[in-house]
Amino acid sequence: KNEVEQSPQNLTAQEGEFITINCSYSVGISALHWLQQHPGGGIVSLFMLSSGKKKHGRLIATINIQEKHSSLHITASHPRDSAVYICAVSGREGNQFYFGTGTSLTVIP
Amino acid sequence: DVKVTQSSRYLVKRTGEKVFLECVQDMDHENMFWYRQDPGLGLRLIYFSYDVKMKEKGDIPEGYSVSREKKERFSLILESASTNQTSMYLCASSLWTDRVYGYTFGSGTRLTVV
Repeated sequence: KNEVEQSPQNLTAQEGEFITINCSYSVGISALHWLQQHPGGGIVSLFMLSSGKKKHGRLIATINIQEKHSSLHITASHPRDSAVYICAVSGREGNQFYFGTGTSLTVIP
Repeated sequence: DVKVTQSSRYLVKRTGEKVFLECVQDMDHENMFWYRQDPGLGLRLIYFSYDVKMKEKGDIPEGYSVSREKKERFSLILESASTNQTSMYLCASSLWTDRVYGYTFGSGTRLTVV
């Protein structure tokens, strides 16, 4: 069972390109999260969303609750954006949450 | 800066060995978690603990056990390591159990069982 689906699984982009990573989920959620995992393994939280849109520097995250879909956009991509991006959702029931399988992004100079 | 420290970045063990993965947090968090991460499967919860000496099974507890004798330390134990336990293991801690935001992850331990 895959409560959270991400696409694409792998993405290669040229520096400067606009990048979109998609996330669809099938469960009721209290919030959706975008995480970033660098090659060393450490994970940091980028965004937590329950509606609308959030922006942080060159990163933009949107969510459509009715369609159960979220997107992470990176504008003017840079090689340092190369990482695995993981979508995760917090379920409505207590400590349930679910992770997508991640999107591996490589930005080429 | 808050920190979750995993004792080893890379570990190679033989089949049948008993393996201990250690995780220490300095944030006085109640909740600690162990995940494994595999290509195409994402992060899967093995065990979590919401208090000292308390533990609950996650989605894939088989073949693993845990120990939480002190609040800051959460250990994952592979009683008899097998090759299908080769994976990246991530520890996390948080104030809450239902919000990933507010979690802090360790850097991960890449375990290879040969």
